[in-house]
Amino acid sequence: SQKIEQNSEALNIQEGKTATLTCNYTNYSPAYLQWYRQDPGRGPVFLLLIRENEKEKRKERLKVTFDTTLKQSLFHITASQPADSATYLCALGVYNTDKLIFGTGTRLQVFP
Amino acid sequence: DTGVSQDPRHKITKRGQNVTFRCDPISEHNRLYWYRQTLGQGPEFLTYFQNEAQLEKSRLLSDRFSAERPKGSFSTLEIQRTEQGDSAMYLCASSSPTSGTRGSQFFGPGTRLTVL
Repeated sequence: SQKIEQNSEALNIQEGKTATLTCNYTNYSPAYLQWYRQDPGRGPVFLLLIRENEKEKRKERLKVTFDTTLKQSLFHITASQPADSATYLCALGVYNTDKLIFGTGTRLQVFP
Repeated sequence: DTGVSQDPRHKITKRGQNVTFRCDPISEHNRLYWYRQTLGQGPEFLTYFQNEAQLEKSRLLSDRFSAERPKGSFSTLEIQRTEQGDSAMYLCASSSPTSGTRGSQFFGPGTRLTVL
C-alpha cells in the first residue's frame, strides 16, 4: 500500500541546535516533494520544494535533501529558535495530477 | 491581504443540515484545491479546479459533497446532510503553474466544521 510516514512523536530540541525531521514514503514515484509548516488552528505554509532530480535545496536556515533510492527526505532547521516550534508536514507531488499527498506531520518543540 | 481567504472560519451545525463554505484564492492563481484535515492528520485531498473546470475528485468526496468554481475565481464547497464524521478543518489552497515555485500551494486559514 502507499504510505507517507513522518515521526508521529514530537521532536524536542534545545534552542541553537539543528532539528532534523524525516519523511519516508513507499509505493510512490514522486515528481517533487514539499515541506510545509503548520501552526495550531492555521493552514499550512509552504517552505521548500525539491524535485526528483535534485539532491538538496537550501533556504536561509532550512535545508531539504531528497533520496529517491531510499525514498526519503530529510528536513533540517539549523540554529533552531523557539519560534520554529510548529508541526512540519511533508507532501508528495506525483505525475499527472496537481494534488498533494501529505504525511501526518511531526511536531517540533524548540525550548530555550 | 492578498492571500487565500476562507469564510466562515468556524461553523457549528446539527447533523442533517447543509453547509456551504467559500474560498477566495490569490487573484492571479488559476488552480484551486480543497483539502480536509482531522486532528493529528495531514490534509487529505478532496478536489481541485483549473479555472472553472473541476479536474479531479477524491473518492473521499461522497455524493453529499459538491464543489463549484463557476467563474474561475472563488469556489464553494457544499456538504449536504452533514454527519458527525464530517467534522474537520476544510482547507482551500491555490497555485499558479507559472510561478517560480511551481507545484507549491498557498493555503487559506481553513474553515473548522463541527457537526453536533
